[in-house]
Amino acid sequence: NAGVTQTPKFRVLKTGQSMTLLCAQDMNHEYMYWYRQDPGMGLRLIHYSVGEGTTAKGEVPDGYNVSRLKKQNFLLGLESAAPSQTSVYFCASGPGGINSPLHFGNGTRLTVT
Amino acid sequence: AQRVTQPEKLLSVFKGAPVELKCNYSYSGSPELFWYVQYSRQRLQLLLRHISRESIKGFTADLNKGETSFHLKKPFAQEEDSAMYYCALRGQAAGNKLTFGGGTRVLVKP
Repeated sequence: NAGVTQTPKFRVLKTGQSMTLLCAQDMNHEYMYWYRQDPGMGLRLIHYSVGEGTTAKGEVPDGYNVSRLKKQNFLLGLESAAPSQTSVYFCASGPGGINSPLHFGNGTRLTVT
Repeated sequence: AQRVTQPEKLLSVFKGAPVELKCNYSYSGSPELFWYVQYSRQRLQLLLRHISRESIKGFTADLNKGETSFHLKKPFAQEEDSAMYYCALRGQAAGNKLTFGGGTRVLVKP
C-alpha cells in the first residue's frame, strides 16, 4: 500500500520553463490537495479537488493549474515558472468526513533559478 | 475566515524537560483541530486530533474553546521528538480543507 506518491522528488527549473507535478493515491480518496511549504509560513493551499473532474482554488492559486482526470491522480502544473515558486510542494488526499485526517506525500522540492 | 497561529517558530529544550507548543485559532464555528509532525525530510504525519482525546508518543492536546487554543504538551521530551510540528484547523466550508499554522520547530538537546 503506497499511500500518496509524488513525482518527481526534486526538480530545478529556469525562469519561464513549465513542468507538471504528479500525485497519485491508492486509497480511493475523493478529496485531493496541493500545498506549498515555505519557511515560517507553514503549508498554504494552492488548489484542491473534491472528486474526479472537479478542481477549486485554494489560498495561493496564481501561477498554477491543476487537473483531476482520474480519481487517483491530481496534477499540478506550472506554465511559466518564477523564482517565487521555489518551494516544497506536498500533495495530500483524504476520504472526507468529520475529523478525517489528510494523508501526505513525500514532497517535491522545486527550485526555480 | 479561519486562521491558525503558532507563535513560537523554535522551541529548544533539554531531554527530559517538559515541552508545550502553542496553537491559537480563529474560527466562528465549531472547528476540527489536528496536530501534524514532520521529521527531517519526511512527509507530514498525523500526530493527534482533538476528537480522539488520546495520547500519542506521550503528547496530549486539549481543545480550549474559551481561549480558542489547542496547545500540544509532553511532560518529558525525548531526542526523537525533534521535528517540525504543525497545528491545523478544518472548518465547515466546502472542500474539507485544512488550514495550517506556520509551524514550530522543536529541538531536543541531549
